[in-house]
Amino acid sequence: GAVVSQHPSRVICKSGTSVKIECRSLDFQATTMFWYRQFPKQSLMLMATSNEGSKATYEQGVEKDKFLINHASLTLSTLTVTSAHPEDSSFYICSARTGSGSGELFFGEGSRLTVL
Amino acid sequence: KQEVTQIPAALSVPEGENLVLNCSFTDSAIYNLQWFRQDPGKGLTSLLLIQSSQREQTSGRLNASLDKSSGRSTLYIAASQPGDSATYLCAVRVQAAGNKLTFGGGTRVLVKP
Repeated sequence: GAVVSQHPSRVICKSGTSVKIECRSLDFQATTMFWYRQFPKQSLMLMATSNEGSKATYEQGVEKDKFLINHASLTLSTLTVTSAHPEDSSFYICSARTGSGSGELFFGEGSRLTVL
Repeated sequence: KQEVTQIPAALSVPEGENLVLNCSFTDSAIYNLQWFRQDPGKGLTSLLLIQSSQREQTSGRLNASLDKSSGRSTLYIAASQPGDSATYLCAVRVQAAGNKLTFGGGTRVLVKP
């Protein structure tokens, strides 16, 4: 299947700093990518839909100024957690869809963020 | 609003036994349904994708069925192995919700050697 790569896989930062997570589609172009957040032993919660060349669409309750999303190219989307706090500690996963219509979704390996 | 439920939340079986994982959804107007596997601390691996027009998909020891009218999908894993231990998630894509997936809570599977 298609490959989606996330970097970094783990990051530890101090409270108040900003952290950027990258999501790349390695062997296909993705006009749309999705960012999820997952708490321990829970399912995935969609945070936002990232569209290449336009502003991201955020789900209700997700602070767009807190979680900045940029989709500058067809193979790269970034999530920046600004002024991170301990409650932002979580597992962040991105996904990308191949093609259009009935395209299958492929997920990255996830990024574990720990804010001290 | 689409709701996806997976029962049971956890399942433990001896090696060699067949696994049956259930997924139900409230809105039958789905575009497709996808089953994923997630290992601890890892991302999701796509297992099977069933389009709304299909009734089942098969890949090796895995078989997934879809009954849209009753809002159900079942993932069968034949002759389970310890390496099948993981969390299995189903997700549905609703026609009216663009590309968004709605996930179930997952079923944590433990296959004992």
